[in-house]
Amino acid sequence: DAMVIQNPRYQVTQFGKPVTLSCSQTLNHNVMYWYQQKSSQAPKLLFHYYDKDFNNEADTPDNFQSRRPNTSFCFLDIRSPGLGDAAMYLCATSRDKLYFGPGTRLTVL
Amino acid sequence: AQKVTQAQTEISVVEKEDVTLDCVYETRDTTYYLFWYKQPPSGELVFLIRRNSFDEQNEISGRYSWNFQKSTSSFNFTITASQVVDSAVYFCALETSGSRLTFGEGTQLTVNP
Repeated sequence: DAMVIQNPRYQVTQFGKPVTLSCSQTLNHNVMYWYQQKSSQAPKLLFHYYDKDFNNEADTPDNFQSRRPNTSFCFLDIRSPGLGDAAMYLCATSRDKLYFGPGTRLTVL
Repeated sequence: AQKVTQAQTEISVVEKEDVTLDCVYETRDTTYYLFWYKQPPSGELVFLIRRNSFDEQNEISGRYSWNFQKSTSSFNFTITASQVVDSAVYFCALETSGSRLTFGEGTQLTVNP
């Protein structure tokens, strides 16, 4: 059974057109994360939530926002995607280890 | 600051060979956790192992084994009798206070038939 679900798996957007990626979890974990992974690179932490407590990484661009309306759901909003934002976006939850979702691959045209 | 170094960018072996993936970490924290994740071509990150900083016992799980040496800040991963299905990118990661996980750059392992 899927524990961390990401929708959609593939997302295509146009340059500058806002896009939202979604993540849900069935594990009831307090902590949720968003990572960005570009081709042939390590995942890079964008932000994480401890319950509703939001923690932004210092180098996360302002273009990226997140919402967590409840324990189960978390959203990543990219307000004006640029070509450099094309990447795999990974959601994860945590208790004793990180449980990753399958990722959403974002293409920006 | 935390840092994880995986010096081997790519490794290529022939099936049934043993292969060791190196991982060296830096942290000033005395309590931390080390991880290995596997990322096959499908893209999902698959958890392999978690080890806390107070447990230096080596671990074996089937064909996988891990060697944790605090004295050299290393947490190396060995696959014995490699198989084609082991082909993937392997990431070593370090978790310190505040639940932040820092990944190494990954090692692309290719196992050829």
